[in-house]
Amino acid sequence: EDQVTQSPEALRLQEGESSSLNCSYTVSGLRGLFWYRQDPGKGPEFLFTLYSAGEEKEKERLKATLTKKESFLHITAPKPEDSATYLCAVQSRGQNFVFGPGTRLSVLP
Amino acid sequence: DAMVIQNPRYQVTQFGKPVTLSCSQTLNHNVMYWYQQKSSQAPKLLFHYYDKDFNNEADTPDNFQSRRPNTSFCFLDIRSPGLGDAAMYLCATSRPGQGGEQYFGPGTRLTVT
Repeated sequence: EDQVTQSPEALRLQEGESSSLNCSYTVSGLRGLFWYRQDPGKGPEFLFTLYSAGEEKEKERLKATLTKKESFLHITAPKPEDSATYLCAVQSRGQNFVFGPGTRLSVLP
Repeated sequence: DAMVIQNPRYQVTQFGKPVTLSCSQTLNHNVMYWYQQKSSQAPKLLFHYYDKDFNNEADTPDNFQSRRPNTSFCFLDIRSPGLGDAAMYLCATSRPGQGGEQYFGPGTRLTVT
């Protein structure tokens, strides 16, 4: 059974304090790993897709990396507007999508 | 702008009273999904359509049905809502192929009284 776990469940950072979020997965043939940002009361917003171990993607203060068992979302010098829940999802060879429970990030000014 | 639209944004229904949620997309994507998301939980896939082919997740309650009359529109019907069905319902679309990312609508918040 495909599974995704994320840690920590919640993270509080001071503005400018860099950190990383973890997504661990088990999947029967990875087609893609996705990171989304979700603001309260809204739908998830697509951030990155990673396809194979060793791949990295960057966007502004965010950088996503992928190994065979986990992915990290690195946040460099975060700002209060980066506060959100960050969701990780995997798509298996069977094309099913499975989401993790998310990490709630709060960045304090 | 191409997008995924969900109506209504907020829906209140009574216990046992059928309700329909709608989703439309201007992205012309083949695949459409319905997810249920409860507070502080992961989105849970209910079903998806690949064009007109319907795929039901094994643990989706029989109470939930879906229709996709054309590429642009998809509906979620809850035949007899229970209190446990109160949640955010998310519609998403994607293109088929390797790791096609999903584009989500804003969601419909369903309250059951």
